[in-house]
Amino acid sequence: QQQVKQSPQSLIVQKGGISIINCAYENTAFDYFPWYQQFPGKGPALLIAIRPDVSEKKEGRFTISFNKSAKQFSLHIMDSQPGDSATYFCAASLFLRNTGKLIFGQGTTLQVKP
Amino acid sequence: DTAVSQTPKYLVTQMGNDKSIKCEQNLGHDTMYWYKQDSKKFLKIMFSYNNKELIINETVPNRFSPKSPDKAHLNLHINSLELGDSAVYFCASKTVQETQYFGPGTRLLVL
Repeated sequence: QQQVKQSPQSLIVQKGGISIINCAYENTAFDYFPWYQQFPGKGPALLIAIRPDVSEKKEGRFTISFNKSAKQFSLHIMDSQPGDSATYFCAASLFLRNTGKLIFGQGTTLQVKP
Repeated sequence: DTAVSQTPKYLVTQMGNDKSIKCEQNLGHDTMYWYKQDSKKFLKIMFSYNNKELIINETVPNRFSPKSPDKAHLNLHINSLELGDSAVYFCASKTVQETQYFGPGTRLLVL
């Protein structure tokens, strides 16, 4: 019930294309859904996050779409660039005793071809 | 002006040894974490401290012991290292608004 399932495992997109990564969760108590971007040899860095009271959040070329009834959320990267090539992790947080514990998806390795 | 720093960056050691990883954050956050990233890049939480108090202790072998001397530091001591402990260990700290900032990671290789 604490799992977050992420797909696809890997993704290859042409420059200028749209990259879409999907995540699904079971626990309806989750109340914070961030996406992290990780480059090789670096730590994960927050890209964008959403709370379940909104259905979409956009920051530049990055958009989170959130479907509360389906318990799914997705990351859309518009106009994908080679510099976006990285591993992307969705996560969910259970706001229990203010621990902020993050449950991560399995990760998606994105390659954007020039 | 590094926000979350970890030392060492790389750690190569023999099975059975004891080692420590240090983490420091200069962001003024009250909550810090240790995560383990395995060879398949899966990230899993291990421990969390809030203002020096242990608040998350996942199913981790007793050989792993976190220590928080103050709210800006969270160290991880590992006893009797095993091959399966080879991984990248990340420290993170959290704002009140939920954002977690991760350190650069410590790459541990047990031979």
